[in-house]
Amino acid sequence: GAVVSQHPSWVICKSGTSVKIECRSLDFQATTMFWYRQFPKQSLMLMATSNEGSKATYEQGVEKDKFLINHASLTLSTLTVTSAHPEDSSFYICSARDPGQGGLIKYFGPGTRLLVL
Amino acid sequence: GEDVEQSLFLSVREGDSSVINCTYTDSSSTYLYWYKQEPGAGLQLLTYIFSNMDMKQDQRLTVLLNKKDKHLSLRIADTQTGDSAIYFCAESIDTDKLIFGTGTRLQVFP
Repeated sequence: GAVVSQHPSWVICKSGTSVKIECRSLDFQATTMFWYRQFPKQSLMLMATSNEGSKATYEQGVEKDKFLINHASLTLSTLTVTSAHPEDSSFYICSARDPGQGGLIKYFGPGTRLLVL
Repeated sequence: GEDVEQSLFLSVREGDSSVINCTYTDSSSTYLYWYKQEPGAGLQLLTYIFSNMDMKQDQRLTVLLNKKDKHLSLRIADTQTGDSAIYFCAESIDTDKLIFGTGTRLQVFP
């Protein structure tokens, strides 16, 4: 199947700093990507939908100024956690919709584990 | 509303079949998916089924859908230790949004 990569896979930062996570679709162009967060032993919660060339759509309760999303190209979306705090520590997973299969299939990246000290 | 439920844990012996169940609430779901997550990793798409289908088989995997009861199941035949993981079902209301279940941790023992 198609491949979606994320970078970095692990990040540890100090409270108050900003962290950028990249999500790339490696063998298809993704006009739409999605960002999820997953707390330990819990399910995935959709944070926002990232649309190439336009503003992201955020889910209810997700602060758009806190989690900045940029989808500047058809293969790259970035999530920036601004002024990170310990409660932002989580596993962040992106997915990309493969338009080649009627938009039905979404491939997931390997995830980025963020630890804020 | 949107709510997808799964049992939390399933333990099976190697070689037996595993059946993981999922219930959902939104009758307008168009597609339903099964994903596998190994420790510390992202999600791997296993299979999906269109809401007007009752069954789909793909090698060791069989998906059954009871739309009337809003019940989805994943059967893994001849379960192996490498199948140990967390399995998520997900429903798609439109082509974009996926609502994930709570996840079922499958433990396969020799």
